[in-house]
Amino acid sequence: EPEVTQTPSHQVTQMGQEVILRCVPISNHLYFYWYRQILGQKVEFLVSFYNNEISEKSEIFDDQFSVERPDGSNFTLKIRSTKLEDSAMYFCASSDMRGGPGGELFFGEGSRLTVL
Amino acid sequence: AQSVTQLGSHVSVSEGALVLLRCNYSSSVPPYLFWYVQYPNQGLQLLLKYTSAATLVKGINDFEAEFKKSETSFHLTKPSAHMSDAAEYFCAVRSDSNYQLIWGAGTKLIIKP
Repeated sequence: EPEVTQTPSHQVTQMGQEVILRCVPISNHLYFYWYRQILGQKVEFLVSFYNNEISEKSEIFDDQFSVERPDGSNFTLKIRSTKLEDSAMYFCASSDMRGGPGGELFFGEGSRLTVL
Repeated sequence: AQSVTQLGSHVSVSEGALVLLRCNYSSSVPPYLFWYVQYPNQGLQLLLKYTSAATLVKGINDFEAEFKKSETSFHLTKPSAHMSDAAEYFCAVRSDSNYQLIWGAGTKLIIKP
């Protein structure tokens, strides 16, 4: 069964360092998302991406964050200069959205980022 | 603005007992409602969804949820809990004005032998 894969599963970094989280969405999907979950808190939307550009982003997704689809398979989230409060589980998701807003998002297993 | 409230951060039931996980939503437009499950050390998996068709929605692993507009609720139920149901369950809402999912805080389901 097709699945969304994320790497790394866990990354520890020093504050101020750049981090890139990688995702391989399901191959025929066109819509891509990043969500994050700070430990003990709600899952929060970060950004959605369609047709090689950001379609929506939340207030969390400030200038320190960027997304890219560098080739036909990968979808990356970059944090330029990590802060302690960026420590969270980051989930990538993809969808074909044929079902419109009722369409299912398929999630990866998450990348846990720990900023020291 | 849309929001989701899940009552109870932890719910504990005995194996074989009824599971009831509560979700209330707030939405000014007809909502699309979802239940996702997160097993330990795994990603988020869709259990079921409401997309304005039948109000009683059946999902995987014998879970079902009923959309009640008058109560703005979308509670998740399962007639008989199994040990493998131990996980965290998230309710989420999405409108047709944007494609974000707005999430509840999650409910951790604990199954007692």
